[in-house]
Amino acid sequence: DAKTTQPPSMDCAEGRAANLPCNHSTISGNEYVYWYRQIHSQGPQYIIHGLKNNETNEMASLIITEDRKSSTLILPHATLRDTAVYYCIVGRDDKIIFGKGTRLHILP
Amino acid sequence: DAGVIQSPRHEVTEMGQEVTLRCKPISGHNSLFWYRQTMMRGLELLIYFNNNVPIDDSGMPEDRFSAKMPNASFSTLKIQPSEPRDSAVYFCASSLRQTSTDTQYFGPGTRLTVL
Repeated sequence: DAKTTQPPSMDCAEGRAANLPCNHSTISGNEYVYWYRQIHSQGPQYIIHGLKNNETNEMASLIITEDRKSSTLILPHATLRDTAVYYCIVGRDDKIIFGKGTRLHILP
Repeated sequence: DAGVIQSPRHEVTEMGQEVTLRCKPISGHNSLFWYRQTMMRGLELLIYFNNNVPIDDSGMPEDRFSAKMPNASFSTLKIQPSEPRDSAVYFCASSLRQTSTDTQYFGPGTRLTVL
């Protein structure tokens, strides 16, 4: 079973920052937080991952709370192309379990 | 660079027929994963290989499903006999296992319809 809880859907206005929350209260000390997204009819796409520290790359930022029980994925300037299902996953090594994710709608 | 390649992209077959899905991972990657996605069950991990060896097949639904990886550049997922409930999108993914974190790169998927 997935170890994360995410809202089923969210809306965000185009050009604004999209903040996607994730709860992972049972995360183990050596497990990472991963984010993937799946645009309609495509395979999932890796976005970012982190262990303890906040992370940023060209796609997004990942903010992990100090107790590591929750995290937030931030898309700084959402565009219509960011409409997708976003999966927050915790795991280590090869095996990651996808939950139901958050369906993000970007509103023009 | 070519990503993960899957074939066919679409497959329609009749119940009872054998179905073979194919995957070519990204060159140099040493881990390969097969997933199945349906509306009801979401994205499920079926099996994964590391260095061509099956590591965890606990997600394979039943004996009708089998997967092989004869070499580092090719894997198959076979369903025999197929049933309507096998209809789904099947994804293959690969990763370069170097540390405890591995980014998985997914293929475009094979949409299987069993009539």
